[in-house]
Amino acid sequence: GQNIDQPTEMTATEGAIVQINCTYQTSGFNGLFWYQQHAGEAPTFLSYNVLDGLEEKGRFSSFLSRSKGYSYLLLKELQMKDSASYLCAVFDSNYQLIWGAGTKLIIKP
Amino acid sequence: GAVVSQHPSWVICKSGTSVKIECRSLDFQATTMFWYRQFPKQSLMLMATSNEGSKATYEQGVEKDKFLINHASLTLSTLTVTSAHPEDSSFYICSARGSAEMETQYFGPGTRLLVL
Repeated sequence: GQNIDQPTEMTATEGAIVQINCTYQTSGFNGLFWYQQHAGEAPTFLSYNVLDGLEEKGRFSSFLSRSKGYSYLLLKELQMKDSASYLCAVFDSNYQLIWGAGTKLIIKP
Repeated sequence: GAVVSQHPSWVICKSGTSVKIECRSLDFQATTMFWYRQFPKQSLMLMATSNEGSKATYEQGVEKDKFLINHASLTLSTLTVTSAHPEDSSFYICSARGSAEMETQYFGPGTRLLVL
């Protein structure tokens, strides 16, 4: 079966750095997405990785290792507004988007 | 990024009534639109995938006669919840992408449905 694992919840301090991990087992791989979802709102696109390595976008970076079936989202200089759920999703061989359950990130002052 | 709108953002209705939710891509042509449902504190669940001009493909366990999907144009898809019941109360979210399968999905703001 297809499976995406990410921690259910994480807590971090304002101004710090946090890494949210995602591991996947899917039938084929055509890229991995990270979305941010604030409570009561729809997801918003953060990043897309299809090649191994680190992609940096301002305070957010996303890393992919296809051989390990592993990705992480790195958030730097955390702000209170970063409190949200972070969803990992993978395109399988048919370009079907397989969703993780999301990681709820709690930022404390 | 691309903009997707949904209307209405909130619906409260009586049990047994039908509710229509619209999803529009405002600045791109959405060949494919997706309808998701999300219950509180749960992950997104894909309900169906619709391609412009053809019938929607429903996920296992989703009743196609209850959740009617129409994707009549490249910028509009509608989801009609027929004879809604309290258990249909949920957050319904659409997403849209262009013609290429590998393109990013952009989400609408979602519609909260409360069936009394």
